Amino acid sequence: GAGVSQSPSNKVTEKGKDVELRCDPISGHTALYWYRQSLGQGLEFLIYFQGNSAPDKSGLPSDRFSAERTGGSVSTLTIQRTQQEDSAVYLCASSLGGKLGQHFGDGTRLSIL
Amino acid sequence: GENVEQHPSTLSVQEGDSAVIKCTYSDSASNYFPWYKQELGKGPQLIIDIRSNVGEKKDQRIAVTLNKTAKHFSLHITETQPEDSAVYFCAASNGNAYGGSQGNLIFGKGTKLSVKP
Repeated sequence: GAGVSQSPSNKVTEKGKDVELRCDPISGHTALYWYRQSLGQGLEFLIYFQGNSAPDKSGLPSDRFSAERTGGSVSTLTIQRTQQEDSAVYLCASSLGGKLGQHFGDGTRLSIL
Repeated sequence: GENVEQHPSTLSVQEGDSAVIKCTYSDSASNYFPWYKQELGKGPQLIIDIRSNVGEKKDQRIAVTLNKTAKHFSLHITETQPEDSAVYFCAASNGNAYGGSQGNLIFGKGTKLSVKP
């Protein structure tokens, strides 16, 4: 597709379970970002991948959160031992390296019961 | 680090009127300022952006102004239409592209715009 694709669109899970969220960036975009959006709030930066450089993990809220990007394309955000405060919409964006027009997917709405 | 403040949090206008949303930022190194429109259940959509070497940019009914000295920037929507109703976010970055933490955007908390027919 032409845009950033995220899956699943919705995820409901029990507290303590692990979850994996997937992001397919726009083809050719070298930069990929994960953000978190809590209800009625702005977007909170989580992690940033640029090409083959080491990712910027400065926004990850705890060591339960991790992300990887395989082959410079698809990225997976993993949350281990989920807590209720992890409930939010997780948004992925990509941009063409050197240009900062970040294009967002529609997000994964994560609900922790 | 950078901090972005956005006002107002809600804005209601009559169709055809203009709407103005204002943001301030704290980091004088920030040099890129995009605006996003987010509709319910969708991801934010980039609608216009401005770089710090430009004072104003216009795209049809949408314009953005930047005052680097005062560290504030504004979104102006003229001749508003009901389909302009959405949440609008401003953001700032000192991104010089490759590597490091300079690529991520710092967002304001959003403005819910309602355009009444």
